[in-house]
Amino acid sequence: NAGVTQTPKFQVLKTGQSMTLQCAQDMNHEYMSWYRQDPGMGLRLIHYSVGAGITDQGEVPNGYNVSRSTTEDFPLRLLSAAPSQTSVYFCASSPAGGTAYQETQYFGPGTRLLVL
Amino acid sequence: GDSVTQMEGPVTLSEEAFLTINCTYTATGYPSLFWYVQYPGEGLQLLLKATKADDKGSNKGFEATYRKETTSFHLEKGSVQVSDSAVYFCALSASGYSTLTFGKGTMLLVSP
Repeated sequence: NAGVTQTPKFQVLKTGQSMTLQCAQDMNHEYMSWYRQDPGMGLRLIHYSVGAGITDQGEVPNGYNVSRSTTEDFPLRLLSAAPSQTSVYFCASSPAGGTAYQETQYFGPGTRLLVL
Repeated sequence: GDSVTQMEGPVTLSEEAFLTINCTYTATGYPSLFWYVQYPGEGLQLLLKATKADDKGSNKGFEATYRKETTSFHLEKGSVQVSDSAVYFCALSASGYSTLTFGKGTMLLVSP
């Protein structure tokens, strides 16, 4: 049981390039989310999904795209990278259900992205 | 909207000192409250949680009580260790959703 995995661990991009951050979980969790962590800002929600085929925007969605074709995978796409997207990105998953808001979220190890 | 405010760090303590990290929140309804910990170079992991008023979450000697009247969820530990050095995040999850609103984090540094 690997939990939540993220690839790559570290990436350098040039302004304008696109890339996909991968996230996978093997716990059969319905909920998956992407957060970014910036110094002094805590973690902020980018996009989330409540199940395969269902996604929604979080607090800071601009410049990012997501899709959820399977329960296991939730990739995050940067369409045209900008220096403001330099950050550490965390994927998380949690079980669904009527009391989903009480559930623990399980985080991946993070992807550190530098946009030059 | 929902928000979480926690004390700014870093908090610097000597080993075996008492720890308090303050956390207050604003939310509609009855959120669940969490403390997550991030050790250097790692992702976040749950430290403890409470899902209703007056609940006390506890783990590894850390405790926090869900106080609805003061909208607070302060983290405490009676005797910290060097291994507790990390960044601590207070967070809430509002009713009906499973996404988290985080505070900005508090760095704890414990010296021998």
